[in-house]
Amino acid sequence: GNSVTQMEGPVTLSEEAFLTINCTYTATGYPSLFWYVQYPGEGLQLLLKATKADDKGSNKGFEATYRKETTSFHLEKGSVQVSDSAVYFCALVKRGAQKLVFGQGTRLTINP
Amino acid sequence: NAGVTQTPKFQVLKTGQSMTLQCAQDMNHNSMYWYRQDPGMGLRLIYYSASEGTTDKGEVPNGYNVSRLNKREFSLRLESAAPSQTSVYFCASSEYTQDSLLHFGNGTRLTVT
Repeated sequence: GNSVTQMEGPVTLSEEAFLTINCTYTATGYPSLFWYVQYPGEGLQLLLKATKADDKGSNKGFEATYRKETTSFHLEKGSVQVSDSAVYFCALVKRGAQKLVFGQGTRLTINP
Repeated sequence: NAGVTQTPKFQVLKTGQSMTLQCAQDMNHNSMYWYRQDPGMGLRLIYYSASEGTTDKGEVPNGYNVSRLNKREFSLRLESAAPSQTSVYFCASSEYTQDSLLHFGNGTRLTVT
């Protein structure tokens, strides 16, 4: 079946550090891929998405590229801020399916 | 902009008690969902409603029931709570089922003792 695997957290970085959160997926066909972010005490919000191979999603300084050859969608940011502290979820939906499949989430803490 | 509103925010139940979690959205969305979030397991879909008048089971439906009361409201009921149902519950909505831009509520933290 379809599944998403994220790097285990928690991840702790200093402000202005480079961030990578790994995400790999298993799916037949060509799913759409997403990153959602959950700030403390809130629900999830869509951060970025990519719908086909080699697409790059970007938002708020975050980027992720849909890599079909490695079945990956790693999240990156060049210089993180304290306000980026949150839980990040990678997710996929297969074309024609009705439901998102989420990874287990990665907690990110940025220290000043 | 209210978006998706869930009540209550916190609840403590004893084993065997029942309760209903309420969810309402004001975006005129067709599809609504209930998820539970547990440490290390991400979000798992309990039930969803593709449109008013329809409901379907998700990944973990056992021990839950749902009602799509109207287009705005989608409630989740625990008839006989168990400690394994201790979790954070999220309601979400989207314009269409195949539209994966989900809008989430802020969650209900439920503890069953």
